[in-house]
Amino acid sequence: QVQLVDSGGGVVQPGGSLRLSCAASGFTFTNYGMHWVRQAPGKGLEWVAFIRNGKSDKHYADSVKGRFTISRDNSKNTLDLQMNSLRAEDTAVYYCAKDNSGWAFDYWGQGTLVTVSS
Amino acid sequence: QSALTQPASVSGSPGQSITISCTGSSSDVGSYDLVSWYQQHPGKAPKLIIYEVYKRPSGVSNRFSGSKSGNTASLTISGLQADDETDYYCCAFGRTYWVFGGGTKLTVL
Repeated sequence: QVQLVDSGGGVVQPGGSLRLSCAASGFTFTNYGMHWVRQAPGKGLEWVAFIRNGKSDKHYADSVKGRFTISRDNSKNTLDLQMNSLRAEDTAVYYCAKDNSGWAFDYWGQGTLVTVSS
Repeated sequence: QSALTQPASVSGSPGQSITISCTGSSSDVGSYDLVSWYQQHPGKAPKLIIYEVYKRPSGVSNRFSGSKSGNTASLTISGLQADDETDYYCCAFGRTYWVFGGGTKLTVL
């Protein structure tokens, strides 16, 4: 069965960096695009970034463009999100999610909490 | 990337039907038939219940249905059950990539 396991969250000071990871199993990872979606405490969902299966095509939400970098290692079935210049408003649970090839998110990780605070 | 507009809350009695609207623009909801809906229970990851406006993933009850007219998409839940009480989010893929609605809390009276 499809499984996505998110990790790497924690507490970081404003301006700091953090790298999130998502370990994928149960499907052919190389065949699917992958996303990061976040949810601030008590708030709604916000799409953050997408990487196509071929790795060359990446897209970002305006709120993170230039600060976050999405990447994948198809040999290890892992998805990463490098987050730099973190701000208080980046505080959220971050989920990795699989694209169903129809631009929807059909499987989600359990989420990892990132807290940006001094 | 402005959020899509959903009602903050809707309610219905067991057995009844409710509809949740999701209003965007010609740049998102109205641009492609790529609207999806997610159910999220407290403390859990979201679950896909509708994609490409009206399609249901395998295993999702046929009590959930979706539609779209112009820049507004809708999720209808028929035969309301107690377990349906939770949060629902729409999402549209458009010219600014993916944008979510603000979420709707469904209360089953």
